[in-house]
Amino acid sequence: SQTIHQWPATLVQPVGSPLSLECTVEGTSNPNLYWYRQAAGRGLQLLFYSVGIGQISSEVPQNLSASRPQDRQFILSSKKLLLSDSGFYLCAWSLLARAGELFFGEGSRLTVL
Amino acid sequence: KNQVEQSPQSLIILEGKNCTLQCNYTVSPFSNLRWYKQDTGRGPVSLTIMTFSENTKSNGRYTATLDADTKQSSLHITASQLSDSASYICVVSPGDQGGKLIFGQGTELSVKP
Repeated sequence: SQTIHQWPATLVQPVGSPLSLECTVEGTSNPNLYWYRQAAGRGLQLLFYSVGIGQISSEVPQNLSASRPQDRQFILSSKKLLLSDSGFYLCAWSLLARAGELFFGEGSRLTVL
Repeated sequence: KNQVEQSPQSLIILEGKNCTLQCNYTVSPFSNLRWYKQDTGRGPVSLTIMTFSENTKSNGRYTATLDADTKQSSLHITASQLSDSASYICVVSPGDQGGKLIFGQGTELSVKP
């Protein structure tokens, strides 16, 4: 069976510090991978998606970047965090053959102080 | 513009009661519609998926309906339980955007004893 792991679950970082959130998927090959952000009381906002190693598409201009060094690994990064980067970050995967069905990780709560 | 709107924004019901959540969309072309349940601080989990030709689909106490003509969907919860307290998110997959999804803002359901 497929599983998705995302860490860390909770992170408190000062403004200007770097960020690295990691996500790995097991039990499948060549998944589509996604990073979403969910601000308090708001819907999910797609930040990045990737259809393959080294292929990253950005949905919104922002202070964050993403990388996919391996087929089942997706990393969300920032060199210098802003207060507005605070939120709940969700990694997800899907298979092209089942377009639309997303399987989410448990989420990472980021608080920037 | 592709949009998904959910109502009500929040809902409080007593344990054992039924409730219905609404989702209206303007996404075109349409591929499928999913309802996700998101417990607080967790990643969303898919409840149902409905394609253009499907009118009703059940998953235990959850029943989703779809009217593709009026572009409306509903999620009916029967005999609510305390564990149903969560955010319910309607997600529409356009037919022409390779799996990019349109998310509703969610309905926050609270089931009280």
